[in-house]
Amino acid sequence: NAGVTQTPKFRVLKTGQSMTLLCAQDMNHEYMYWYRQDPGMGLRLIHYSVGEGTTAKGEVPDGYNVSRLKKQNFLLGLESAAPSQTSVYFCASSLQMNTEAFFGQGTRLTVV
Amino acid sequence: GNSVTQMEGPVTLSEEAFLTINCTYTATGYPSLFWYVQYPGEGLQLLLKATKADDKGSNKGFEATYRKETTSFHLEKGSVQVSDSAVYFCALLNTGGFKTIFGAGTRLFVKA
Repeated sequence: NAGVTQTPKFRVLKTGQSMTLLCAQDMNHEYMYWYRQDPGMGLRLIHYSVGEGTTAKGEVPDGYNVSRLKKQNFLLGLESAAPSQTSVYFCASSLQMNTEAFFGQGTRLTVV
Repeated sequence: GNSVTQMEGPVTLSEEAFLTINCTYTATGYPSLFWYVQYPGEGLQLLLKATKADDKGSNKGFEATYRKETTSFHLEKGSVQVSDSAVYFCALLNTGGFKTIFGAGTRLFVKA
């Protein structure tokens, strides 16, 4: 059971570099989410998607873009990385409304 | 707006001690409530949930009861083990919603 898979697991970027984080789920879930986790702040929603081809902004969307071209994949892009984007990023998915979220293992990103 | 407040950590206990982690919420409507657990280096996993008032969620010896009158969902375990050391997140999902709202997390350390 793969569930939600994130790649890569770790990455170090220099300020100004770009990268894409990939999230894949094999549960046929409609909804997908990207969160960031910072010490003492819990999880904050960056962007989310309610279905293939749709995306929407969460609490902290600035500096990030997303795409959901296929139902099973949700990509998070950083066009010009900043040290403030050093964080652990989690992808999650849920089947439909009123159902719990399933999480990936996380990506630890350091921007130097 | 919707929010979740949980007790600050870290909480340090000896093995076999009783655990309580307090969680209160603010929500419009009748949310579902969750406890997620995050073991070191891993993503969040659903620990237990309750979908209506007076429901008790339970799993792996942990319990929490949905108390609408006190807007609380406190996590309890009668006898903790070293393997319970993790970060615990209280969360809510409002009726008709799909965006989970998380508390800041409470880190638990259990000493042998």
